[in-house]
Amino acid sequence: DIVMTQSPDSLAVSLGERATISCKSSQSLLYSSNNKNYLAWYQQKPGQPPKLLIYWASIRESGVPDRFSGSGSGTDFILTINSLQAEDVAVYYCQQYYGTPPTFGGGTKVEIK
Amino acid sequence: QVHLVESGGDVVQPGKSLRLSCVASGFSFSYYAMHWVRQAPGKGLEWVAVITNDGNKKFYTDSVKGRFTISRDNSLNTLYLQLDSLRAEDTAAYYCARDYSTGPFTQLLHHWGQGTLVTVSS
Repeated sequence: DIVMTQSPDSLAVSLGERATISCKSSQSLLYSSNNKNYLAWYQQKPGQPPKLLIYWASIRESGVPDRFSGSGSGTDFILTINSLQAEDVAVYYCQQYYGTPPTFGGGTKVEIK
Repeated sequence: QVHLVESGGDVVQPGKSLRLSCVASGFSFSYYAMHWVRQAPGKGLEWVAVITNDGNKKFYTDSVKGRFTISRDNSLNTLYLQLDSLRAEDTAAYYCARDYSTGPFTQLLHHWGQGTLVTVSS
């Protein structure tokens, strides 16, 4: 199975500042035939199910604010939240969908400083 | 609007069985692969199983193979997960999720239900 490793486990960011979350995979998620990275990011607010934020490593899901952005390729990926808002308090998970089973990172809890 | 509603969660003893259901609405259920994902209390997400849109192919995570069975009834827009030989470590919220694309599944989880809680305890 592909192992997904997120860091940090948690971070506290002031309102309006930037939050950066790292996700590393144990093997490349870049599929050469279509040049796509099979990496997604989800947001899970307390008491709610996860919500898809970003897929193909950098494509925002419809309706997701543009302060959320994804970058990276191969085995190293970043989720950036620019100008953090109070409603962004949540746990964020990366997920690879390159191989079966799909696997998730351990999650990063984002809080307000 | 896509809507997924799980039910069937309960408190059960180790070794017992349970069947979870997920009723879908707002999209053409028979066109999409469907998944189950679980989350132990205070823990992260673990993918459990997927079934293709026609029900002909099923895949499971290793820890549930031989104990859990995913199925669907496209005439009822309903996804199921039969949980047998339950263990304490199966305690979790179980979410159903719709795959992103029609046709072959992508394993990208586009829409999620609210979840149903399974507690395995003596």
